Amino acid sequence: QQQVKQSPQSLIVQKGGISIINCAYENTAFDYFPWYQQFPGKGPALLIAIRPDVSEKKEGRFTISFNKSAKQFSLHIMDSQPGDSATYFCAIATLRGNNRLAFGKGNQVVVIP
Amino acid sequence: DSGVTQTPKHLITATGQRVTLRCSPRSGDLSVYWYQQSLDQGLQFLIQYYNGEERAKGNILERFSAQQFPDLHSELNLSSLELGDSALYFCASASDGNSNQPQHFGDGTRLSIL
Repeated sequence: QQQVKQSPQSLIVQKGGISIINCAYENTAFDYFPWYQQFPGKGPALLIAIRPDVSEKKEGRFTISFNKSAKQFSLHIMDSQPGDSATYFCAIATLRGNNRLAFGKGNQVVVIP
Repeated sequence: DSGVTQTPKHLITATGQRVTLRCSPRSGDLSVYWYQQSLDQGLQFLIQYYNGEERAKGNILERFSAQQFPDLHSELNLSSLELGDSALYFCASASDGNSNQPQHFGDGTRLSIL
């Protein structure tokens, strides 16, 4: 049972463009929403995370938008660069759940020059 | 470099065998998480240890077990291996078991069952 669903499955973006990846979840008990970036042969690395008390968080070129009522959150990569080509995973967790992360299936983003 | 060390990087073995995967957490981190990554299931949480004690269990098979030692390194033991156990196994560590603390992942052990 997939607790969080990501879309689209893959994305091809022109350099300088905006990459947008969406995640939807079911259970309103979740209160921690991180995005991880994974390069081939490497483990996932935390990119940015948000708590449900804010609707948006920005770190450099990466922004999370959070819509609590719709139970959706998205990752926006501004001014996408070829070095951003990677697989992106959204995840969910609860404060009471020992931080065990439930991951989406991942989105492969390819940024072409 | 996340500071989390996993060994070995690759492991090739046969069905029915038993293997041990090792994880050294970041210095100062008390919590260790194990995840399995496969093409069909994605990244799945297996088990968590905190300061030597089992804290949470996920989709971990009965053939799998883990432990965290006094020096905080952790081992994941997989026995009676089946072809379907072929996957990437990741270890992550965090300073504690609180979701305010980010998890830092190692580069994984790729297990191939022949």
